[in-house]
Amino acid sequence: GQSLEQPSEVTAVEGAIVQINCTYQTSGFYGLSWYQQHDGGAPTFLSYNALDGLEETGRFSSFLSRSDSYGYLLLQELQMKDSASYFCAVLYNFNKFYFGSGTKLNVKP
Amino acid sequence: NAGVTQTPKFRILKIGQSMTLQCTQDMNHNYMYWYRQDPGMGLKLIYYSVGAGITDKGEVPNGYNVSRSTTEDFPLRLELAAPSQTSVYFCASRSTGEGSNQPQHFGDGTRLSIL
Repeated sequence: GQSLEQPSEVTAVEGAIVQINCTYQTSGFYGLSWYQQHDGGAPTFLSYNALDGLEETGRFSSFLSRSDSYGYLLLQELQMKDSASYFCAVLYNFNKFYFGSGTKLNVKP
Repeated sequence: NAGVTQTPKFRILKIGQSMTLQCTQDMNHNYMYWYRQDPGMGLKLIYYSVGAGITDKGEVPNGYNVSRSTTEDFPLRLELAAPSQTSVYFCASRSTGEGSNQPQHFGDGTRLSIL
C-alpha cells in the first residue's frame, strides 16, 4: 500500500520562508509531486522530483531524498496569495498518483 | 485552450439515482484520471485510463464505472447513488511525454451532493 504524511497546518508571516515536509511509504515509487489548491478551486501543479536533490521554480523549491523517503516544498518570500492547501503526491507504478491529506498554509500580514 | 472541462459544476441527487459526470480534454493527453475529494482531505483516485479503450481501478472504485471510447472523453458513472458519494469530483489529464515528470491538469470539479 501507499502512505503519505504531511503536517495538517502551517502558519507563517508575509515575506518569510516556510518548509512543508512530506514522508512517504510507497511501492513502485517513481517521483514526488506538489500541488497547490486554493479554497473552492482545483489543484494546480507546482513541481515534481524524480531524482534526489533540489528543483527550483521561482519562489518555490522542492527537494527529494529517495533513500529517506522524504521530500519538502520550500516557499520563499511568502505572499498573502500563497495562503492555500499544499498536497504532496507520489507517482507510483508510473501511472498512478497517491495524494497526502494536505497542509493548510496560513500567511499572515 | 479549454484544457480539462467538467460538467456539471454542481448537482444534487437523490439516493438510488444514477448520473454521469462528464470530462473532456483538448490537449491530446493519453492519461486521464478521476478523483474524489472529501472536505479537508486529499484526493483519492477512483479510476484512471492510459489511453482509449483502457481503464483501470484506483484506490476507491466501488460504486463507480468509467469508459474511455475516445482520447478526449472520460465519463464517470455513478450507479445507485449513496450519501457516502457526496464529494467534489475532479478529472485530470496528463501527457505521456518523456519520462515521468508530466504534470496533471485538473478540471474545475463537480460538486455532488446525495440526499
